[in-house]
Order: sequence, then C-alpha cells, then structure tokens
Amino acid sequence: DVKVTQSSRYLVKRTGEKVFLECVQDMDHENMFWYRQDPGLGLRLIYFSYDVKMKEKGDIPEGYSVSREKKERFSLILESASTNQTSMYLCASRSRALATTNEKLFFGSGTQLSVL
Amino acid sequence: AQKITQTQPGMFVQEKEAVTLDCTYDTSDPSYGLFWYKQPSSGEMIFLIYQGSYDQQNATEGRYSLNFQKARKSANLVISASQLGDSAMYFCAMRLKGSGYALNFGKGTSLLVTP
Repeated sequence: DVKVTQSSRYLVKRTGEKVFLECVQDMDHENMFWYRQDPGLGLRLIYFSYDVKMKEKGDIPEGYSVSREKKERFSLILESASTNQTSMYLCASRSRALATTNEKLFFGSGTQLSVL
Repeated sequence: AQKITQTQPGMFVQEKEAVTLDCTYDTSDPSYGLFWYKQPSSGEMIFLIYQGSYDQQNATEGRYSLNFQKARKSANLVISASQLGDSAMYFCAMRLKGSGYALNFGKGTSLLVTP
C-alpha cells in the first residue's frame, strides 16, 4: 500500500527554536509538497520539489525553507519558529507523469505544530 | 490566477439523504483537473473523486458523483445516501499549472450528518 509518512503527529516548540518536519514517501514519486492548513483558510502551498535538490516556492514560503537530499524524503524547516506558524502541516507526493491514474496527491497524516 | 471557491462553510444533512457540496473555479487554462478530498477528524486527506476538463462524462465513484458544469465553471460534489461516517471536512481542489502539479484548495465545507 502506498504511504506518505510524517515523523510526528504532534509537536510543541518554543518561539525561536529551529524546527524540522520530516516526510518520507515509499512510492518513488518525483514531486513532493508541503502545505499548511488553518481553519477557514483551507490548505496553502508552502514549497514543492520536483526532483532531488530541486525546490520551488509556493504561495506562502516566508519563514520556511526545505531540503530534499534524497528522492523519498522532503523536509520542512522553520529556521526560527514563531507563534503564527502554529498550524497543521501536511506533506504530499505524486508521480511527475501526467497520467489519469497518477493525478491525485497522496497525503501524510499531518503534523500539528504548536509554537509557544 | 487559478482560484477555487467553496461558499458553504458548513452543511447539515440527515442520514440517508443526498447532499450537494458546491465548488466553483476560475482558470484560463483549457486543460485542468478537479478533485474532491475528504478530511475526517483524524486529519488524513482522503481522495474521493477526480474530473478532467476534457472528460465527456461526469465522474462517479460509488456514492460520490461530480456534477461538472464546464460553462458555469462549477464542480459540485454529490453524496448520495449520506452516512454518519460522511461527517467531515470536504475540500475541492484544482491542479495548478506549473507548480509541479500541486493542487490549489478551496477553504472547505464542514458536513455534519445527523441521525
């Protein structure tokens, strides 16, 4: 069964800490994505990657960076966490091929991050 | 800009009834894909149904169907014979052009199915 795994379900950090959110997929997908989800705002794209060491900014990249050293792993980094980064973070992946059966994104179960 | 609009923040439906969740979109690209995802309280995002812009027929998956009206740019989700387990957040999304095939999501509709 296909799987996107996020390392933590819940995380509590302090303001100013450096935070790493890890995501691993086992489907050999080229494209990986980080979203944040806030009530009333839906899901918003932070960063995406379409290959190892390649990254592109999404709609709300400020305050975040990413790392993709291996194809299966995509990390989201909060260099200096702030309270307005308290949110649910969702990782997703998909094959680069634009075929009907590969259209959808596969999501991890999410990390609820609280920054105090 | 590509935009997805879900105008219903919350909906109620009685068990066994059908319910329609609204979604409108805006794009100038003739080739696009539309998706619906379900998010129960556990937080996982569950893919429900997909409609391509060139598909001639409305998509169906079990109790889910997509009422695709291209000229009106709407892609409403119809859930037939609602069940208590259908209570969840529902998100409409459109495939973005040039973003690694990321999806652009609407703000979601919270559906509550009552006995």
